[in-house]
Amino acid sequence: ETGVTQTPRHLVMGMTNKKSLKCEQHLGHNAMYWYKQSAKKPLELMFVYNFKEQTENNSVPSRFSPECPNSSHLFLHLHTLQPEDSALYLCASSQLRGGDPYEQYFGPGTRLTVT
Amino acid sequence: GNSVTQMEGPVTLSEEAFLTINCTYTATGYPSLFWYVQYPGEGLQLLLKATKADDKGSNKGFEATYRKETTSFHLEKGSVQVSDSAVYFCALSASSGNTPLVFGKGTRLSVIA
Repeated sequence: ETGVTQTPRHLVMGMTNKKSLKCEQHLGHNAMYWYKQSAKKPLELMFVYNFKEQTENNSVPSRFSPECPNSSHLFLHLHTLQPEDSALYLCASSQLRGGDPYEQYFGPGTRLTVT
Repeated sequence: GNSVTQMEGPVTLSEEAFLTINCTYTATGYPSLFWYVQYPGEGLQLLLKATKADDKGSNKGFEATYRKETTSFHLEKGSVQVSDSAVYFCALSASSGNTPLVFGKGTRLSVIA
């Protein structure tokens, strides 16, 4: 595997279900991100992890719970979601170099449908 | 704070037409600027970047020049193809380098044969 991978690619879940999205980066990066992409808001930053520590939470509802066990893996645990949470969830990673410009590398996304 | 504004879409062009997607930014210091592209069903991919004023980023026939005087980074291509149909995002990286990229809202481009 190369780059940033995400599983599953598609997920349909009911509002009472609990599921998890997984992201893995094979680039040796030290920062990882979750984004939500929907028709209403093209690209919303949800969470940021630097060196496995959460450094940003953009007022995301508690029904979304991130987990970063190491710098290569990032999870998004989902429970009691609402239909408006249906969206494409994108994971990204980058290498923070302190003062240098950096690029974020994105996974293909998980298309989530909440019924 | 830092922000990016790009032209609203969708943009529909005929094959071989000239493309311009406008992007302007607001930032303190000296940000780096990026264009990302998202093809249908995929994540975002870096298309090109520029790290300082007057730099020109280029890739796959696309170009953008970092204009500090007009705080702009417009994306251009001389002759678009159907395969260029995608959503294009302009983004900036704060000069500190240790914060997430700030993205524009994206511009959907459709190229028809």
